[in-house]
Amino acid sequence: AQSVAQPEDQVNVAEGNPLTVKCTYSVSGNPYLFWYVQYPNRGLQFLLKYITGDNLVKGSYGFEAEFNKSQTSFHLKKPSALVSDSALYFCAVRITGNQFYFGTGTSLTVIP
Amino acid sequence: DAGVIQSPRHEVTEMGQEVTLRCKPISGHNSLFWYRQTMMRGLELLIYFNNNVPIDDSGMPEDRFSAKMPNASFSTLKIQPSEPRDSAVYFCASSPRRGRDTGELFFGEGSRLTVL
Repeated sequence: AQSVAQPEDQVNVAEGNPLTVKCTYSVSGNPYLFWYVQYPNRGLQFLLKYITGDNLVKGSYGFEAEFNKSQTSFHLKKPSALVSDSALYFCAVRITGNQFYFGTGTSLTVIP
Repeated sequence: DAGVIQSPRHEVTEMGQEVTLRCKPISGHNSLFWYRQTMMRGLELLIYFNNNVPIDDSGMPEDRFSAKMPNASFSTLKIQPSEPRDSAVYFCASSPRRGRDTGELFFGEGSRLTVL
């Protein structure tokens, strides 16, 4: 069965520190991987995606993610967290056709 | 680009009433998705369309839910009759279909439904 796991419901990090939001997946075939961010009372916004090529993908707002095929992971990272990064983050996998699978979300809080 | 447009943004209704949520996808996108978000269940796919044709409706909770896409620029999600457990935020998303289907989803701002 296809699945996406975000093992941490909540991540707290101090402003200025690096942040990591974890994502692992279990799908058949080669997946396309995505990160989305959701601010309160808003829709999900696309951050970045991995399709093929360089395992390190750079996206919006200074975020990046590293695709690791052997560990089937796609962790979201940022070198220096901002208070405004506090939001809900979703990892998603797209397989053949239009089937998207979303993780359960990780709530990131950046502490001033 | 106006983005995905959903209406209404908020809806409060009483149990048993019919609810209709509306979505206008981004022009040129030919895949449309309806999701439901709750604290308990997270983000659930209800149904998606390709070229106005429903492809997978296995996520639709029960017969009270129905979705239509009469043309490429409009879709509705209807709940009849509504129940308190239908209270959630309903998101519409669209996606372009390019060759190898690498397009990401573009989400609307959601319709927050409260059924009393």
